[in-house]
Amino acid sequence: NAGVTQTPKFQVLKTGQSMTLQCAQDMNHNSMYWYRQDPGMGLRLIYYSASEGTTDKGEVPNGYNVSRLNKREFSLRLESAAPSQTSVYFCASSERGADQPQHFGDGTRLSIL
Amino acid sequence: AQSVTQLDSHVSVSEGTPVLLRCNYSSSYSPSLFWYVQHPNKGLQLLLKYTSAATLVKGINGFEAEFKKSETSFHLTKPSAHMSDAAEYFCVVSDPPGGSYIPTFGRGTSLIVHP
Repeated sequence: NAGVTQTPKFQVLKTGQSMTLQCAQDMNHNSMYWYRQDPGMGLRLIYYSASEGTTDKGEVPNGYNVSRLNKREFSLRLESAAPSQTSVYFCASSERGADQPQHFGDGTRLSIL
Repeated sequence: AQSVTQLDSHVSVSEGTPVLLRCNYSSSYSPSLFWYVQHPNKGLQLLLKYTSAATLVKGINGFEAEFKKSETSFHLTKPSAHMSDAAEYFCVVSDPPGGSYIPTFGRGTSLIVHP
């Protein structure tokens, strides 16, 4: 009963290092999302993928890239990490459609020094 | 364009008293509306959703919300708070533009429950 699995759960990076956050879902969902959560800001959408083979920018895409590897997996890459990217990152998936709820992973806590 | 405002950043109640978390939305369509709960160090979990059926929606753990179109509100309530309800709550609105949707999240309300 895994749902959405994110790895790693915690990571500390130095400024300028690169890193890929992994996300996989086992619910056969079409749509997947990456969010960042900062205190008092709610969740802000970084990138989303409405279906396999497509990706689109969200509200805060600068400094990030994504890959929809297949229907199950959606990765988020930081090419050159900056302290402003210190945050908690959540991956989510859903069926396509405005009335479909999202299913979330437990998050990746990322600190950039 | 859609937007959502959670009117309180923090709500404090005593155990056994009612809970009210307020949410107003803006949408050009007939939106779908959701409430999610986030416990510490966990991901978000769906509490309930409204999708143009009954205006009073019942969710998990005794929570319910009422859709009021005239007031553009979707407030979350519970008759009696439990200590385990202490968490962050998010109101979310979703429009159906062009077949794919991008949900918009409120900034969250932190519910504090005192013994």
